[in-house]
Amino acid sequence: AQTVTQSQPEMSVQEAETVTLSCTYDTSESDYYLFWYKQPPSRQMILVIRQEAYKQQNATENRFSVNFQKAAKSFSLKISDSQLGDAAMYFCAYRRGGAQKLVFGQGTRLTINP
Amino acid sequence: SAVISQKPSRDICQRGTSLTIQCQVDSQVTMMFWYRQQPGQSLTLIATANQGSEATYESGFVIDKFPISRPNLTFSTLTVSNMSPEDSSIYLCSVERGRTHYGYTFGSGTRLTVV
Repeated sequence: AQTVTQSQPEMSVQEAETVTLSCTYDTSESDYYLFWYKQPPSRQMILVIRQEAYKQQNATENRFSVNFQKAAKSFSLKISDSQLGDAAMYFCAYRRGGAQKLVFGQGTRLTINP
Repeated sequence: SAVISQKPSRDICQRGTSLTIQCQVDSQVTMMFWYRQQPGQSLTLIATANQGSEATYESGFVIDKFPISRPNLTFSTLTVSNMSPEDSSIYLCSVERGRTHYGYTFGSGTRLTVV
């Protein structure tokens, strides 16, 4: 079974600095998709960024980018120029190609210090 | 991408009672997904609901405890039956975003407290 591991239960960063959240996953599949979701205190799950496994190029969305290392099965999220509104729980998620189910990691709570 | 309206947003219920959570999507979707998020934990898939067929439940979840209805392509309900304090969680519904493999849209969640 596929598993997703986030080894950092909590992280903190100074406002305007850069922070990297770690995620590793275990799969024997070659076709899959990876996601980072943000869950602020409002509980709303917000899609931050996605990555297709067949693409070598790392995904980027404004201040958010990923470092996708397929061989190492690593999918870290980098947040540049951190803002107070980035404070939230961040979940890494995996989806096997052709399947519907999302498998989530345990989450990392990110605190932004002003 | 789809917009989901989920209600109630929160509720406090007595043990032994049942609560039905509703999710309304602003567009037709084939599958709807129900997740549970226990306090301080990650999301766990309860079941997948297809219109016109019985829901498919994940290991550890049973229909008698979490009956699901899917009467049409825009609506689904999840009932938490015979509740106990262990059922206190956030329950979220989800649908696939407009394009395949573009991730999922989630409802705003229902925070359930069982006393």
